[in-house]
Amino acid sequence: SSELTQDPAVSVALGQTVRITCQGDSLRSYYASWYQQKPGQAPVLVIYGKNNRPSGIPDRFSGSSSGNTASLTITGAQAEDEADYYCNSRDSSGNSWVFGGGTKLTVL
Amino acid sequence: QITLKESGPTLVKPTQTLTLTCTFSGFSLSTSGVGVGWIRQPPGKALEWLALIYWNDDKRYSPSLKSRLTITKDTSKNQVVLTMTNMDPVDTATYYCAHGIITMVRGVIFHWFDPWGQGTLVTVSS
Repeated sequence: SSELTQDPAVSVALGQTVRITCQGDSLRSYYASWYQQKPGQAPVLVIYGKNNRPSGIPDRFSGSSSGNTASLTITGAQAEDEADYYCNSRDSSGNSWVFGGGTKLTVL
Repeated sequence: QITLKESGPTLVKPTQTLTLTCTFSGFSLSTSGVGVGWIRQPPGKALEWLALIYWNDDKRYSPSLKSRLTITKDTSKNQVVLTMTNMDPVDTATYYCAHGIITMVRGVIFHWFDPWGQGTLVTVSS
């Protein structure tokens, strides 16, 4: 089992807001980064650091963190946002890295 | 523009050693704050972080796989090599390499992987 816990599946109505969470003790000390993966494709970074978006990522994607929980929020979800989302951060030892188990986002 | 590409065998037999090469362009692995990581994904399953090597030759490994993994870099060739010993069918996965950045701002460490290579599927079967 992963040291970072994500809900396996989340759904959102088109145009609505959805929050995907990632829980783990290491998140009290380290920020998470978030990756979007569509079927048959490599993951793509969508959020890193406190709340930073790489170039080309729509501003409807945002990140936040509180206590042992990191969150990825999509405000006004679009059909093209349907994908698997993974969080990544350091493990509890701080010596290596770990991914969450992933959340499959369905846009209804 | 940063690009990475994984190469290596598509099929290995159980107990064999897997050697994968990540060839990259658009950055130097001698630049402070830069690293290259390896991540794998079994079919239909989640991402699993494997190993990372930094510009200063600092190496980090997944604790659960540390005894089987070795990561090295050849800065002059812009390559990072990952070896995994004693391969088993459960190691069947798509293996990705990714450009990593680690930085510190006001005492807080930030780290991310961007971009990733296209991945290479490795099947372990006799």
